[in-house]
Amino acid sequence: RKEVEQDPGPFNVPEGATVAFNCTYSNSASQSFFWYRQDCRKEPKLLMSVYSSGNEDGRFTAQLNRASQYISLLIRDSKLSDSATYLCVVNDNYGQNFVFGPGTRLSVLP
Amino acid sequence: NAGVTQTPKFRVLKTGQSMTLLCAQDMNHEYMYWYRQDPGMGLRLIHYSVGEGTTAKGEVPDGYNVSRLKKQNFLLGLESAAPSQTSVYFCASSRSDRAGNQPQHFGDGTRLSIL
Repeated sequence: RKEVEQDPGPFNVPEGATVAFNCTYSNSASQSFFWYRQDCRKEPKLLMSVYSSGNEDGRFTAQLNRASQYISLLIRDSKLSDSATYLCVVNDNYGQNFVFGPGTRLSVLP
Repeated sequence: NAGVTQTPKFRVLKTGQSMTLLCAQDMNHEYMYWYRQDPGMGLRLIHYSVGEGTTAKGEVPDGYNVSRLKKQNFLLGLESAAPSQTSVYFCASSRSDRAGNQPQHFGDGTRLSIL
């Protein structure tokens, strides 16, 4: 089993749609969690950290369920500019071991 | 702010050649990392460093060496390039944080092809 798994995608949604991505991790001792986005042929960029109580940043909402070892990202009112690959990242070694999921590609269509 | 800078941006090598990829960061970060990214596999950690003069192996270290002689620089070396090392290489840095809550900042990548 891979350490971090994500929805395989791709997701093709119309502008204005709400879309949710799921991520599961295998190490119950994992300490911190992040969502990154990566545009085609570009570097990953931090989208948001994921906190235990859940957190929201504009149209983006992240949730963490430690008991189920599950992380989610919800994007509301999708924009064309949201088209990218979304990477789930888990840190399980006190800042030294960031494990990346394979990513889920999103295409927002006009 | 420059952030994390990688050189070169592109390189084509022949099998058996050697080269060094340079990563420089101006954010005074303690931690630095080298990843490779291949289609469908996500980013995989090659080596990392938690401070000047220290390095450690990641998930896929074979065929690579690293050095961190200065805090701001992290070098990745390929001693004898192989076609399997064709990939996109990303360097990243982060602040030191025992809880692991500090996110990573990435360079814009080096596209390396081994013929």
